[in-house]
Amino acid sequence: AQSVTQLDSQVPVFEEAPVELRCNYSSSVSVYLFWYVQYPNQGLQLLLKYLSGSTLVKGINGFEAEFNKSQTSFHLRKPSVHISDTAEYFCAVSRTGGSQGNLIFGKGTKLSVKP
Amino acid sequence: NAGVTQTPKFRVLKTGQSMTLLCAQDMNHEYMYWYRQDPGMGLRLIHYSVGEGTTAKGEVPDGYNVSRLKKQNFLLGLESAAPSQTSVYFCASSLEPGLANTGELFFGEGSRLTVL
Repeated sequence: AQSVTQLDSQVPVFEEAPVELRCNYSSSVSVYLFWYVQYPNQGLQLLLKYLSGSTLVKGINGFEAEFNKSQTSFHLRKPSVHISDTAEYFCAVSRTGGSQGNLIFGKGTKLSVKP
Repeated sequence: NAGVTQTPKFRVLKTGQSMTLLCAQDMNHEYMYWYRQDPGMGLRLIHYSVGEGTTAKGEVPDGYNVSRLKKQNFLLGLESAAPSQTSVYFCASSLEPGLANTGELFFGEGSRLTVL
């Protein structure tokens, strides 16, 4: 069975500092990997995704993530955060070629950016 | 661009009452899902559908029923609400996963349900 672990439930950071949100997954088959962002009182929206090819994936709002197959990780990074990045971030994995079609989500990391 | 629309956005129920949440998508997606989100638990899949007329159980299906009579609509029902069903419910849709599609989910804005 697949699973996703987000290692930090909360990450406080000051504005303009760099941030890394950690995500590890377990799977016996190839996967697609996603990061979603949820702003307060809103639904989830896609931040970026890894399908294949380059292991460094760039997303919206200056975020990027690096797929590391040997460490089964997909950490999310931003070199300089803004107050507006305060949100909850979810890592998710989807089984490639599967018919089930759904994503398995981690429990989320709340990013709090302070002035 | 409507995308995925959920109604109602807020609802308060008494224990034992019933209700239905409606999800509508205008992207012609085959797959639709209902998740619940609880603090510290992330998103957990309740039920999903891979096409009109089909439904399947997810991770936490007990106490819920669903129907997919039309491709664009996916209904989530609570026959006898319990306080443990107090949560935020999210509907999502996707294309059928395959070589050309990754199964990326598109979410509604959520429905906040409180059961007293």
